[in-house]
Amino acid sequence: GAGVSQSPSNKVTEKGKDVELRCDPISGHTALYWYRQSLGQGLEFLIYFQGNSAPDKSGLPSDRFSAERTGGSVSTLTIQRTQQEDSAVYLCASSLKASTAYTEAFFGQGTRLTVV
Amino acid sequence: TQLLEQSPQFLSIQEGENLTVYCNSSSVFSSLQWYRQEPGEGPVLLVTVVTGGEVKKLKRLTFQFGDARKDSSLHITAAQPGDTGLYLCAGANQAGTALIFGKGTTLSVSS
Repeated sequence: GAGVSQSPSNKVTEKGKDVELRCDPISGHTALYWYRQSLGQGLEFLIYFQGNSAPDKSGLPSDRFSAERTGGSVSTLTIQRTQQEDSAVYLCASSLKASTAYTEAFFGQGTRLTVV
Repeated sequence: TQLLEQSPQFLSIQEGENLTVYCNSSSVFSSLQWYRQEPGEGPVLLVTVVTGGEVKKLKRLTFQFGDARKDSSLHITAAQPGDTGLYLCAGANQAGTALIFGKGTTLSVSS
C-alpha cells in the first residue's frame, strides 16, 4: 500500500481478554516499530523489528505484551489478559533503513485500544 | 537515560502571532527530528537537523539545532489555523534502534 496501515482503528475489549493489533508497513521497509501513546505521555517505544527479528524489545512493559513479524512484512502486537492501564493508542511505524537517526519513520494512523 | 523535554506543553495563540517551542536534553544526539501530529493521525516528519548550529527553514517554520546537539527549537512565523496540532521532537537512542520522543507541544491557533 501507499502508507502504513493499521487495523483495527478502534478496539474496545473487556479486562482480561487478549487482543491482537495488526500493522502492514510500507512495502520494502525493513525496519518496523511499535509505539504506545497515552494522553499526556508522548510516544513510548515498545519494540523494533529488523526484518523478522526483534533486536530491541526493551520497551515492552510486561510479559503480557508480545509481537511478531512474518515475511519481513506484516507485524502483530498481542496483549494478553488486558488491563485498564493498557488503554492507549498503539502506533506502528516503518522505515526504509534501520538507522533511525537520519531515516524518516512513517507512521500508521494507530489503533485506539480501550479496556473496560 | 536519554530524555527529551519539550516546552511549553500547551500553546494557544491567535492567527498571525509568532511562537517558539523548545526541545531540550542533557544528552547529545547525532540528530533531532521534528514531527507534527494531527488528531486521529500518526506523526508526520517535518525536518531532520543533523549538524550542530544548523538552521533549516520550511516555509514559515524555522528549525534550529543547538551547537552542542543537546537541544532544538521550532519557530513559527505568522501562525495560521492550519498549524494547529501536536509538535513532537525525537532523537535516536544510543543503540540506534528506536526514536525517543518528547511529550510534545500542543499548539492551537485560532482565527
